[in-house]
Amino acid sequence: DGGITQSPKYLFRKEGQNVTLSCEQNLNHDAMYWYRQDPGQGLRLIYYSQIVNDFQKGDIAEGYSVSREKKESFPLTVTSAQKNPTAFYLCASRYGGGITEAFFGQGTRLTVV
Amino acid sequence: AQSVTQLDSHVSVSEGTPVLLRCNYSSSYSPSLFWYVQHPNKGLQLLLKYTSAATLVKGINGFEAEFKKSETSFHLTKPSAHMSDAAEYFCVVSEVRNYGGSQGNLIFGKGTKLSVKP
Repeated sequence: DGGITQSPKYLFRKEGQNVTLSCEQNLNHDAMYWYRQDPGQGLRLIYYSQIVNDFQKGDIAEGYSVSREKKESFPLTVTSAQKNPTAFYLCASRYGGGITEAFFGQGTRLTVV
Repeated sequence: AQSVTQLDSHVSVSEGTPVLLRCNYSSSYSPSLFWYVQHPNKGLQLLLKYTSAATLVKGINGFEAEFKKSETSFHLTKPSAHMSDAAEYFCVVSEVRNYGGSQGNLIFGKGTKLSVKP
């Protein structure tokens, strides 16, 4: 089945640690996105990539980094510079832009302990 | 730039009564508009989308939305609520103009949480 897979579902981070969230899609989509979701704030764009080996900062990129070495994969690293990383993270992919809809993974809940 | 406003952060209805979730958008160009649903701790699922064809759009699970350009609205409706409809709903507009390479990015409303009482 085609789809977009995020792992792990739950992740715990200690203060000062970097952690990496995985996002893989087999939909042959060019564009991939990372969003952060906090209660009452909707989804905020962290990073996006419209093509392999290229990515752009979104609205809240500070403290995060990404790579796009393969079309299928768009991992997100939450670095120690992100002071408030506890949130629900959603990855999405899309065929092009404009009128096409995005497909979402099931999310990763990151908690700082 | 485009923007989207969901007018209610929380809507509560009784099972079997109609649902209305309101969404207004701002766009200088013909927008593409979407409604997504999110159940707790899950990803987002597409309910329906408007892409400049018919103004009344039918989606999954009995939901529909009407695009009204004169009112810049795209409200989501369902004739009869079911307990399983309890979730958070997001209205989304797609950027159609290129702002620094962001063409096609999705702009999300802040969400409306729908509660359904038995």
